[in-house]
Amino acid sequence: EVQLVESGGGLVQPGGSLRLSCAASGFTFSRYWMHWVRQAPGKGLVWVSVIYTDGTNTHYADSVKGRFTISRDNAKNTLYLQMNSLRAEDTAVYYCARGGLGTGLDSWGQGSQVTVSS
Amino acid sequence: DIVMTQTPLSSPVTLGQPASISCRSSQSLVHSDGNTYLNWLQQRPGQPPRLLIYKISNRFSGVPDRFSGSGAGTDFTLKISSVEAEDVGVYYCTQATQFPYTFGQGTTLEIK
Repeated sequence: EVQLVESGGGLVQPGGSLRLSCAASGFTFSRYWMHWVRQAPGKGLVWVSVIYTDGTNTHYADSVKGRFTISRDNAKNTLYLQMNSLRAEDTAVYYCARGGLGTGLDSWGQGSQVTVSS
Repeated sequence: DIVMTQTPLSSPVTLGQPASISCRSSQSLVHSDGNTYLNWLQQRPGQPPRLLIYKISNRFSGVPDRFSGSGAGTDFTLKISSVEAEDVGVYYCTQATQFPYTFGQGTTLEIK
């Protein structure tokens, strides 16, 4: 069974940093693209970033480009999101999701709450 | 960026009756590889999203056959043949043809 478990969320002040982790199990992690998607309170889904299988290629939403960095450790089956210069508008539940082979975002974690507030 | 527009935004449905949600993209979702990466997600209250349909009309593993998808190019539809209580939630169309991936605003399915 595919499992994705996010951790690392919490309350941080504007301008601060946070690193999210997503531990994967139940599939061959190194074979899949991995994504981060966020959802602000009471709002819809917003795609944040993707990292390809070997970690050399990444893409970001314009809203986080230059502030967030996605990475992965295939030996540890773990995905990361380093978030710097955080703003109030980054407050959201952050989901990691597997990019299936032709199936899109086919498996999702339970999410990690990030709150940016003074 | 590709804009995804869903209608309606809210859909009150009687149990056992059909439901339909439309999704339109601002440009064609046909990828250079010939596939159309239009997917549908379901988000039940308090839960993460769940993939229902991928590449327009393919049901993902474990998805009941009362869910079906159709369409082409820029116009797509999700249908539920007979709504059950567990179908309550928000439904999103999403495109994975190009980055950034984008989502529709979401359609809330509720029971009358």
